[in-house]
Amino acid sequence: DQQVKQNSPSLSVQEGRISILNCDYTNSMFDYFLWYKKYPAEGPTFLISISSIKDKNEDGRFTVFLNKSAKHLSLHIVPSQPGDSAVYFCAARTQGGSEKLVFGKGMKLTVNP
Amino acid sequence: DAGVIQSPRHEVTEMGQEVTLRCKPISGHNSLFWYRQTMMRGLELLIYFNNNVPIDDSGMPEDRFSAKMPNASFSTLKIQPSEPRDSAVYFCASSRGTVSYEQYFGPGTRLTVT
Repeated sequence: DQQVKQNSPSLSVQEGRISILNCDYTNSMFDYFLWYKKYPAEGPTFLISISSIKDKNEDGRFTVFLNKSAKHLSLHIVPSQPGDSAVYFCAARTQGGSEKLVFGKGMKLTVNP
Repeated sequence: DAGVIQSPRHEVTEMGQEVTLRCKPISGHNSLFWYRQTMMRGLELLIYFNNNVPIDDSGMPEDRFSAKMPNASFSTLKIQPSEPRDSAVYFCASSRGTVSYEQYFGPGTRLTVT
């Protein structure tokens, strides 16, 4: 049973436009959410995170929005750049002290010049 | 600063052979994680250690898999005997534990069992 879902496997956008990556979750006990970016032949790298007590966190071109009632979060990248082309993973942590992260299956973003 | 180091980067072995994957976490990190990535199941946690002690091994698929962390700077994941369905990319990650939930990943080991 997938607790973190990234329903769209891929997204293609033009350079300079906004990229919106979506993630849904089913476990109401998740209290911390993270986005990772992965290039081919490399490990995932941490991008941005948000606590469940917030609804928005911003870091430069990257903003994560959390809608707890809908169990939905999204990553906005503005403006998108060709170097942002990668696979993006959404991950969530369960409250209670465990460090275990549950990952979505990823979404491939392609930013066209 | 050196990131998480994994070796080997690629491993090709025959079914039935023993495979050992190695990981050196980031210095000062006290939690270490082993993940497996496949097309079917995505990125799944196998086991994690905190202060060298295994905390959650519920993701270890079966007794053929074992992991050890003899000290703060080294961990191994062993598969014995290996099977073709073990073919995957295995990632090691480390973190500062409950100080920060961000995990830092190594480059991975691509394992192919023929």
